[in-house]
Formats: sequence, structure tokens, C-alpha cells
Amino acid sequence: QKEVEQNSGPLSVPEGAIASLNCTYSDRGSQSFFWYRQYSGKSPELIMFIYSNGDKEDGRFTAQLNKASQYVSLLIRDSQPSDSATYLCAAAGTYKYIFGTGTRLKVLA
Amino acid sequence: DAMVIQNPRYQVTQFGKPVTLSCSQTLNHNVMYWYQQKSSQAPKLLFHYYDKDFNNEADTPDNFQSRRPNTSFCFLDIRSPGLGDAAMYLCATSEPFGGSLEQYFGPGTRLTVT
Repeated sequence: QKEVEQNSGPLSVPEGAIASLNCTYSDRGSQSFFWYRQYSGKSPELIMFIYSNGDKEDGRFTAQLNKASQYVSLLIRDSQPSDSATYLCAAAGTYKYIFGTGTRLKVLA
Repeated sequence: DAMVIQNPRYQVTQFGKPVTLSCSQTLNHNVMYWYQQKSSQAPKLLFHYYDKDFNNEADTPDNFQSRRPNTSFCFLDIRSPGLGDAAMYLCATSEPFGGSLEQYFGPGTRLTVT
């Protein structure tokens, strides 16, 4: 069964620190990988996507992909209390997504 | 602004009373999805449309049906809601051609079954 695994957390980091969120996937056919942020009671919002091995940076966010290890990560620099949310990792083959259960991040002021 | 719209945002229905949730998009995307998400769980794909082609997930109960009358609209029908169907229902779209496959989510409909 195709799966995306995430540590459910909560992951607590102090304000201003780097938050590191990790994700592994089982389907080697997955082509694109996504990080969504979801606040309680809201729908997921896309933060970043990545489909090539290596790093991709966008502002305070860096996504990292290692296809050989089937591993995706998201780094959040200078974490803010407003970053406190659940972060969902998703892997996509063609146009079907497999979501992880999410990691709950708490940024402590 | 191009977007995905879901109505209603909150829906209360009685046990066994049919309910329809709607989704519309101004993105002109080919693919539309319906997900069910319960608290602290991953979104669970119920079905998706690739244009007019309907694709049902193997574990989606028969109680859930969907219609896509045109590119812009998609409906989720729950024929006889049970207490276990209380959840957030998320509609999403994506464009598989020439894009990076990202999905755009609507705001969701919170369904309560009494």
C-alpha cells in the first residue's frame, strides 16, 4: 500500500528557531512532493512543492528531496508563532495524491 | 481571483437525510477531487474526476456519490449520512498538463450529522 509517513508531533520550537519537518514515502513512482499548512478547522494551503532532488528555497521555507532515500523535508527558518499549524506532506504520481497524517508544529513565543 | 469555492461552509443534517455539498472552480482545471478529513487524520480521497471521467476509490462507501455536470462544478451527494460521516469535506482541483500538479483546495464544508 502506498503510504506517506510523518511524525505526528507535536514538534515544539522556540520563536526564531529552525523547525525541521520530515516525511518519507513508499511509492517510488511518486514524481512531485508537496507541503501544505493546515490551521485547525481550515483547509490545507500549499506552502511549497518540489520534484527534483536537492533543495528548493522560498523565503523562510526550504524543501529538501532525496529520491534515493524516499525522503522529503521542510525547514522553516525564523519560526514565528503564526507558523503553528499542522503540516501535511503529500506525494503525487500522475494526479493522485497520497497525504501523510501531518506533523503538528508549535512555535513558542 | 481564480479560486475554489465550496458551499455551504457548514452543513447540519439528520441521520439518514440526504445531503449535497457543492464545489465550483474558476481555475478551469481538468481534475477535481473530493476528500473527507476527520480530526487529526490525513485527507482521505473519496473520488476524483479527470474531465468527465469519474474515478472512485476502492474503499469509498456506496453511500457517497458525485456528479460533475460541467468543468466548473462538482457535487458530493451523501445518500444516507451516518454519524461516522461527520467530517470536513474538501474539494480540490489540479491541472495535470504543463503544471507541477499542485492541488488547490476550497475552504471545506464542515458536516455535522445529528
